[in-house]
Amino acid sequence: AQSVTQLDSQVPVFEEAPVELRCNYSSSVSVYLFWYVQYPNQGLQLLLKYLSGSTLVKGINGFEAEFNKSQTSFHLRKPSVHISDTAEYFCAVSDQQAGTALIFGKGTTLSVSS
Amino acid sequence: EAQVTQNPRYLITVTGKKLTVTCSQNMNHEYMSWYRQDPGLGLRQIYYSMNVEVTDKGDVPEGYKVSRKEKRNFPLILESPSPNQTSLYFCASSLQLAADTQYFGPGTRLTVL
Repeated sequence: AQSVTQLDSQVPVFEEAPVELRCNYSSSVSVYLFWYVQYPNQGLQLLLKYLSGSTLVKGINGFEAEFNKSQTSFHLRKPSVHISDTAEYFCAVSDQQAGTALIFGKGTTLSVSS
Repeated sequence: EAQVTQNPRYLITVTGKKLTVTCSQNMNHEYMSWYRQDPGLGLRQIYYSMNVEVTDKGDVPEGYKVSRKEKRNFPLILESPSPNQTSLYFCASSLQLAADTQYFGPGTRLTVL
């Protein structure tokens, strides 16, 4: 079974500051890793995903994440945030073999203010 | 336009009154899934379907039913809703597996009194 821990429930930052949203996972099998974003009153959309290859993954809207197998982490970063990045961010994992479920963390609310 | 639609978007009902939330996708996806989102708990999978007539339980299936008679539709049925099923529900679809990019519907906010 897999589990996902998002270490911060809320992250307040000022516009143009860098941000890191932290995610750790636990799994007895190899996993794929994802970050999804939920803007206010909307469904979720994929930001980026790690399937294999380079451990640094670039996504939409200037976000990137780094897979660290030894630390079982997949932290999300952006060098300079905008007001429009205010949203809830979810880290998720999926078993590479079964592929039947996407296990989500509890979410991190990113609040960007001017 | 590629999309996942859900109806209704908002629903207030009473305990025990059967209801169905519809979900439809126009992308010819094989995999479909239902999640519920509760504050502080993130998204939890209720049921999923790998293809027509193939469904299975997720993490929180109690009190819910699903069916997949057509590829595009995946309705969620609450036969006897209870207040603890008050939640925000999302339907999602992907090409074949959970690891493929999942496309989410806009959500259905359900209140059970």
